[in-house]
Amino acid sequence: KNEVEQSPQNLTAQEGEFITINCSYSVGISALHWLQQHPGGGIVSLFMLSSGKKKHGRLIATINIQEKHSSLHITASHPRDSAVYICAVRSGGSNYKLTFGKGTLLTVNP
Amino acid sequence: DAGVTQSPTHLIKTRGQQVTLRCSPKSGHDTVSWYQQALGQGPQFIFQYYEEEERQRGNFPDRFSGHQFPNYSSELNVNALLLGDSALYLCASSPVKGSGNTIYFGEGSWLTVV
Repeated sequence: KNEVEQSPQNLTAQEGEFITINCSYSVGISALHWLQQHPGGGIVSLFMLSSGKKKHGRLIATINIQEKHSSLHITASHPRDSAVYICAVRSGGSNYKLTFGKGTLLTVNP
Repeated sequence: DAGVTQSPTHLIKTRGQQVTLRCSPKSGHDTVSWYQQALGQGPQFIFQYYEEEERQRGNFPDRFSGHQFPNYSSELNVNALLLGDSALYLCASSPVKGSGNTIYFGEGSWLTVV
């Protein structure tokens, strides 16, 4: 079992829909990142969370430390949101590496 | 302000050859991490450099080595290339202090081993 599990693996939505991507992890963490990767390969950090909730524009990220679960929500989705969304965790302490989920491929149709 | 820059963007090598990939971190960042991303998979941690030393290493063989220079730029070297080394290699930089440990990624170097 991977340390970081994402669901769904693939998601197709119509423009304007509310989207939720889920991430569960099995280790204690100091931080969780939500990342966006476009087909060209570059990765952009959307959020870094250690507790609670963060909002940026149409994107909202939440984390429940006790349940080891995080969600990324996209409100009023748009075709330009189409990308792979990746959850990554840092275990903390002297562990500096990020452990990534396999990603969720989101396609938003006009 | 340039973000993280990587070079080359694409390259093709033959089995058994050696490759060097380069990374310049975002201005003000002194920590560089390297990741390998196979097609359809999430990135896998190779190693992290801070103050010109390897601070942590993932589960990669000794064929993978690195270096960090005084200006914080970094190189990833892979010797005796195997077909399975074909992947996107990503460099990420972050500041040790401040900015909430925000991490920035480069566009990556696509390596194909034939």
